[in-house]
Amino acid sequence: IVMTQSPLSLPVTPGEPASISCRSSQSLLHSNGYSYLHWYMQKPGQSPQVLIYLGSNRASGVPDRFSGSGSGTDFTLKIRRVEAEDVGVYYCMQALQLPLTFGGGTTVEIK
Amino acid sequence: EVKLVESGGSLVQPGGSLKLSCAASGFTFSGSAMHWVRQASGKGLEWVGRIKNRGNDYATAYAASTKGRFTISRDDSKNMVYLQMNSLKTEDTAVYYCTRHLIVGAMDWFDPWGQGTLVTVSS
Repeated sequence: IVMTQSPLSLPVTPGEPASISCRSSQSLLHSNGYSYLHWYMQKPGQSPQVLIYLGSNRASGVPDRFSGSGSGTDFTLKIRRVEAEDVGVYYCMQALQLPLTFGGGTTVEIK
Repeated sequence: EVKLVESGGSLVQPGGSLKLSCAASGFTFSGSAMHWVRQASGKGLEWVGRIKNRGNDYATAYAASTKGRFTISRDDSKNMVYLQMNSLKTEDTAVYYCTRHLIVGAMDWFDPWGQGTLVTVSS
């Protein structure tokens, strides 16, 4: 399954919203009703960390300014009001089937 | 604290072998499937492979790019997972992360991730 993210780079003013799109080459919707799409964030110099799982579920400890939506093949990660600590690379990942595959990443930077 | 710590990365010549280790703590390791993911410098994330738990017969699966060269194993008595890499190529140069596949009913996610260990394949 090929994962395509856009944009590649996203300059954002602090306090402004941000949105990242992720599209999969085939539906990630399982018969159980879940879409097996996760969002991970990688801060500079750090390892990835989970933000959103199964399309819209915020992981423990993740601020509520992050939200995920979508189903099937089209997904969106939104940051309601970007803060300086949100700088990093955001990846979507499909977990429906092996091999697990990732989007190319979106770099969020502060203007 | 739930934690994963990788080790074993180093400089190795093309065609050589290397074994990476990942030490787990703070959770029931024996019940968890474990994955390896790598990241070449300045590049994105690439799944390497996984090993399931004892209840799933320690089933392994690999990316096409590593199949036949890499082997994942685990020692539940030591809370360790390993990545044996043989016939290394320059394109295997990357930071290698281990991560736990957390499954709760039909829901799943990958958390935590280790800090990574750097493998450099070069002559």
